[in-house]
Amino acid sequence: EVQLVESGGDLVQPGRSLRLSCAASGFTFDDYAMHWVRQAPGKGLEWISGISWNSDTVAYADSVKGRFTISRDNAKNSLYLQMNSLRAEDTAFYYCANPAGYWGQGTLVTVSS
Amino acid sequence: DIQMTQSPSTLSASVGDRVTITCRASQNISSWLAWYQQKPGKAPKLLIYKASSLESGVPSRFSGSGSGTEFTLTISSLQPDDFATYYCQQYNSWQTFGQGTKVEIK
Repeated sequence: EVQLVESGGDLVQPGRSLRLSCAASGFTFDDYAMHWVRQAPGKGLEWISGISWNSDTVAYADSVKGRFTISRDNAKNSLYLQMNSLRAEDTAFYYCANPAGYWGQGTLVTVSS
Repeated sequence: DIQMTQSPSTLSASVGDRVTITCRASQNISSWLAWYQQKPGKAPKLLIYKASSLESGVPSRFSGSGSGTEFTLTISSLQPDDFATYYCQQYNSWQTFGQGTKVEIK
């Protein structure tokens, strides 16, 4: 059974940092690119970052470029998102997803003073 | 960047209705388009991939069509479990989502 389990969401103050993790199981992790998608409360889905299977290629939405860094560890079947200089508008559920359509349950990041 | 424009934003319908949602891409994405269903508090669920391929386990009342820049999701006979929000997603160049269509009870 494919499982993606996000962790690391928390309440943080504006300007602070947070690192999200996504643990993958049930599929060959290094066969796939991976993505982070977020959803602010009551809003739509926003793709924010993707990484190729071997980490050679990464991409970011303009809304997070320069502040967020995606990475992966294929030996640990894990995906990460380092989030720096957090803003109130980064408040959202953060999902990891693979291109085959599997998603985690999401982890909530709240940025507030 | 590829932009996805989805319409309508809200759709009121009754059980048994035929429902159509449209998605337009800002440039040619071939057939690299997926449709997702999302219910409150849940992660999105894949319905259709490659524009018209039905994901395993998804009821056959869901169908997708289109290629290039114009795409359609059709629900042939709306069921009570289908009231939800639907999103298109392009994956020709990384990913972009449409704004979503909320299907609500008329």
